[in-house]
Amino acid sequence: DAGVTQSPTHLIKTRGQQVTLRCSPISGHKSVSWYQQVLGQGPQFIFQYYEKEERGRGNFPDRFSARQFPNYSSELNVNALLLGDSALYLCASSRGVEGHGYTFGSGTRLTVV
Amino acid sequence: SQQGEEDPQALSIQEGENATMNCSYKTSINNLQWYRQNSGRGLVHLILIRSNEREKHSGRLRVTLDTSKKSSSLLITASRAADTASYFCATAPWAGGGNKLTFGTGTQLKVEL
Repeated sequence: DAGVTQSPTHLIKTRGQQVTLRCSPISGHKSVSWYQQVLGQGPQFIFQYYEKEERGRGNFPDRFSARQFPNYSSELNVNALLLGDSALYLCASSRGVEGHGYTFGSGTRLTVV
Repeated sequence: SQQGEEDPQALSIQEGENATMNCSYKTSINNLQWYRQNSGRGLVHLILIRSNEREKHSGRLRVTLDTSKKSSSLLITASRAADTASYFCATAPWAGGGNKLTFGTGTQLKVEL
């Protein structure tokens, strides 16, 4: 079975631009979550989706949005990019909405210049 | 914001020695999980311990949880060079709170030959 796949692996954007990150969960996993990891810190929760519904949102501005598709894949969108959005964006999937460990993808490293 | 802190921030040991990392957190939890991260890429789930459990083993890993002190420890026995990585604890809220994990700041473990 393939693991959690994320694309692209690296991305360079200019301030003010918009970016879309993509994630495909492990087959059979219905929950997808997004985390932001700034260099030197632990990951911070952005969103959780389960069965295509938003089940949690972290303390991030409205410039961040996400959605989950019928095949359980997900996209994270960030508008009006700021330098501070530069980070590793991690997608994680799990079988259920809670009580399970995550399987993480390798992440998308976003650099905003 | 980070839920808690790992201690120590960095740990350097010789191959074959045991490594102990500690984690403290602030709020009531459903479960606590430990993850490993190599070179700033994706996280690997190591072990999950529920709030009604006190100790759990998996291979060379031993995790303890003390909910009265809001703390956990991860012991890696007979360390190998391949164990060199950053280790994070993450807490999950009470049932109904989804799988919104709150990560600590991490312990950087270096195992030298």
